[in-house]
Amino acid sequence: AQSVTQLGSHVSVSEGALVLLRCNYSSSVPPYLFWYVQYPNQGLQLLLKYTSAATLVKGINGFEAEFKKSETSFHLTKPSAHMSDAAEYFCAVSSAGGNEKLTFGTGTRLTIIP
Amino acid sequence: DAGVIQSPRHEVTEMGQEVTLRCKPISGHNSLFWYRQTMMRGLELLIYFNNNVPIDDSGMPEDRFSAKMPNASFSTLKIQPSEPRDSAVYFCASSFTSEGTQYFGPGTRLLVL
Repeated sequence: AQSVTQLGSHVSVSEGALVLLRCNYSSSVPPYLFWYVQYPNQGLQLLLKYTSAATLVKGINGFEAEFKKSETSFHLTKPSAHMSDAAEYFCAVSSAGGNEKLTFGTGTRLTIIP
Repeated sequence: DAGVIQSPRHEVTEMGQEVTLRCKPISGHNSLFWYRQTMMRGLELLIYFNNNVPIDDSGMPEDRFSAKMPNASFSTLKIQPSEPRDSAVYFCASSFTSEGTQYFGPGTRLLVL
């Protein structure tokens, strides 16, 4: 069975500050890991994904995430927050690169303080 | 590309009525997924299809829910009869096997009174 834990259901950062959203996973097989973003009243948009190539993955909008097997973590970061980053972020795990079910975390709502 | 298309975007119905949600996946994609999002349970997979064949329906809550994919460009999720606890946002997503990324539609917001 696979699972994802997102630490912190709400995170607030000041505009221009570092964004760090935490995700820990549990998987009995090598995982595929994803970060999705959801803006209000919209569907989910893929930010980035890890598929066992490079451990540091760069995504859209300046976000990146690092896969750390020893820590079973896949934290999402962005060096400088922008007001447009305010949204809900979901970490997800799959055993087959997205061709099978995605198991989502409970989400982290990111608020940007002007 | 138009992306994943879902209809209707909003649905309000009364308990006991039949509800049909529709999804058109991205052209060329061969996997299709139905998810439900609620405050209490978050995002959960209901069912997914590969090449129009249901592969895993273990997330379908009960017999009131059914899903079909008659061809590669269309899928439906039906709830009959609907209940207030079915109120949620239902998302459809599609992917192409060799690439794997799931692309989500805008969702259908269902309210059962």
